[in-house]
Amino acid sequence: NAGVTQTPKFQVLKTGQSMTLQCAQDMNHEYMSWYRQDPGMGLRLIHYSVGAGITDQGEVPNGYNVSRSTTEDFPLRLLSAAPSQTSVYFCASSGDGYIYGYTFGSGTRLTVV
Amino acid sequence: AQSVTQLGSHVSVSEGALVLLRCNYSSSVPPYLFWYVQYPNQGLQLLLKYTSAATLVKGINGFEAEFKKSETSFHLTKPSAHMRDAAEYFCAVRSNAGGTSYGKLTFGQGTILTVHP
Repeated sequence: NAGVTQTPKFQVLKTGQSMTLQCAQDMNHEYMSWYRQDPGMGLRLIHYSVGAGITDQGEVPNGYNVSRSTTEDFPLRLLSAAPSQTSVYFCASSGDGYIYGYTFGSGTRLTVV
Repeated sequence: AQSVTQLGSHVSVSEGALVLLRCNYSSSVPPYLFWYVQYPNQGLQLLLKYTSAATLVKGINGFEAEFKKSETSFHLTKPSAHMRDAAEYFCAVRSNAGGTSYGKLTFGQGTILTVHP
């Protein structure tokens, strides 16, 4: 049981480059989210999804794009990387219902130079 | 909108001492609250959750939290700290409001726990 898998674990980008952070879960969870973690700011929600084909913006969506074509996958696209996007990114998933917590991936550490 | 506030970005205790990490929530409806722990260079792990079944919730690693509606609090405690408890702890609330907020998990800013020998 792999849980939530994020790739890559580390990435260095040049300003202006684009890339996709991958996230896959094998628990048949409906809810999936992307967060970024910066020192002193906790985890801030970028985008989330309540099911295949349904996504919505979170607290800090600018500069990021998502789509959810399958239940399992929820990729995060950086359109034109900026140094302000240097962060640790976490993907998480959850079953339906408030009793469930979210299960987190191990994170992607992104540096934009 | 629902939110949580963690009081104190850093807490330092001696090994064997009581651990108390504070979390207050803001919600117009009964909230669903969680505590997560993050060890260095790792992802987040669920410690415990409150989903209205009981006000005192026991979690993993000897941690527990008490939901107090009158104080809008959900503080995390452990009677005796261990060195291995050193980590960052996050309080979070899961939205049970309708509309586009349904299901969202919102975090507090985190509290770094340091345990001294």
